[in-house]
Amino acid sequence: AQKVTQAQTEISVVEKEDVTLDCVYETRDTTYYLFWYKQPPSGELVFLIRRNSFDEQNEISGRYSWNFQKSTSSFNFTITASQVVDSAVYFCALYRDSNYQLIWGAGTKLIIKP
Amino acid sequence: KAGVTQTPRYLIKTRGQQVTLSCSPISGHRSVSWYQQTPGQGLQFLFEYFSETQRNKGNFPGRFSGRQFSNSRSEMNVSTLELGDSALYLCASTSGGARDEKLFFGSGTQLSVL
Repeated sequence: AQKVTQAQTEISVVEKEDVTLDCVYETRDTTYYLFWYKQPPSGELVFLIRRNSFDEQNEISGRYSWNFQKSTSSFNFTITASQVVDSAVYFCALYRDSNYQLIWGAGTKLIIKP
Repeated sequence: KAGVTQTPRYLIKTRGQQVTLSCSPISGHRSVSWYQQTPGQGLQFLFEYFSETQRNKGNFPGRFSGRQFSNSRSEMNVSTLELGDSALYLCASTSGGARDEKLFFGSGTQLSVL
């Protein structure tokens, strides 16, 4: 079975704090792709990162960083020095190579307080 | 380059009616997929089209159908609307599939069934 678990329903931090959003996935496929998307109040899903199953290299993009660990089936997302504009719902998703669909986690609502 | 365009942005219907939603992908993109987002079920895959052919379908009843035209524009139709069909319907486009690159999402159509 394919499944994505985002156990944190809501996280609230004060601006400038670091915050990590957890994502755990399940799949039997050897080739798969993991995504993070941001959904601000406007509703549009904004792409943040795509990682394939063969690339476990961590990635940093400005204040954003991602830690992919196949051994624990996790793909966690960290925001450093959070800002109010980071407030949104963040989704982790799994894409199988064979069936053209994304399987989504339930999302984590991130609230950054000034 | 224009993004993914979904129309209408908001829609109010009554039970038993039918509705058609439209999605115009990014120019050059041939794959269009549809997702339903509700507070209770989260994001769920409806179907995906590539070059006018449905490549995959999610676990939704036959009341949900779609099609894709030769210019890659896609429509989604829901017949005999039920209260539970109230949701945000999101459309995404990509050149061939999520494994190739990121999916670009539209702002969605918010459907309310009364």
